[in-house]
Amino acid sequence: GAVVSQHPSWVICKSGTSVKIECRSLDFQATTMFWYRQFPKQSLMLMATSNEGSKATYEQGVEKDKFLINHASLTLSTLTVTSAHPEDSSFYICSANEEGYSYEQYFGPGTRLTVT
Amino acid sequence: GNSVTQMEGPVTLSEEAFLTINCTYTATGYPSLFWYVQYPGEGLQLLLKATKADDKGSNKGFEATYRKETTSFHLEKGSVQVSDSAVYFCALWGGKLIFGQGTELSVKP
Repeated sequence: GAVVSQHPSWVICKSGTSVKIECRSLDFQATTMFWYRQFPKQSLMLMATSNEGSKATYEQGVEKDKFLINHASLTLSTLTVTSAHPEDSSFYICSANEEGYSYEQYFGPGTRLTVT
Repeated sequence: GNSVTQMEGPVTLSEEAFLTINCTYTATGYPSLFWYVQYPGEGLQLLLKATKADDKGSNKGFEATYRKETTSFHLEKGSVQVSDSAVYFCALWGGKLIFGQGTELSVKP
């Protein structure tokens, strides 16, 4: 149980275009989902926290208008990178809490974004 | 604020060697502590956890004990395998997950 999927697993897009990444909890309801960014050989940086039906809470230094997060249901959150640029190329990972277990997160497999 | 510090890698060991990856934390109160593992090209998997002082988390031969006196949560395994090669992250829960910088482990046959 407690499986989180991400789609796509990798994506290449041209500079200036937008790309959407989906995060789904497959077998549980996720009250909260988290989006992280990971640079090569570095730790995870929390970008934002999203709760179903409400606006996401962004970490300091993360551009809200560039990284749009929507948590439309208890099993789906999306991250849209708008007007992508090469510096947005990274590994994006989502995680989700099972309802009632706020401290235990289950991670998706990640999405590799390359902006050319 | 809350923070986690891990020993720097990469750590290179021979198969069947003993592994220790040090992790210390700074936090208010007694947060839950975690070890996550990331295999190449994949997301993070929870390896083990401890939710209160003196708890020992264990999984797949790995162990870590929550030591409040030394604010530590060191990861150990008695005999590593090539398949254990990965990056290991120590983390604490303080309203959100705070990760250490990660320690890359490479196990040679």
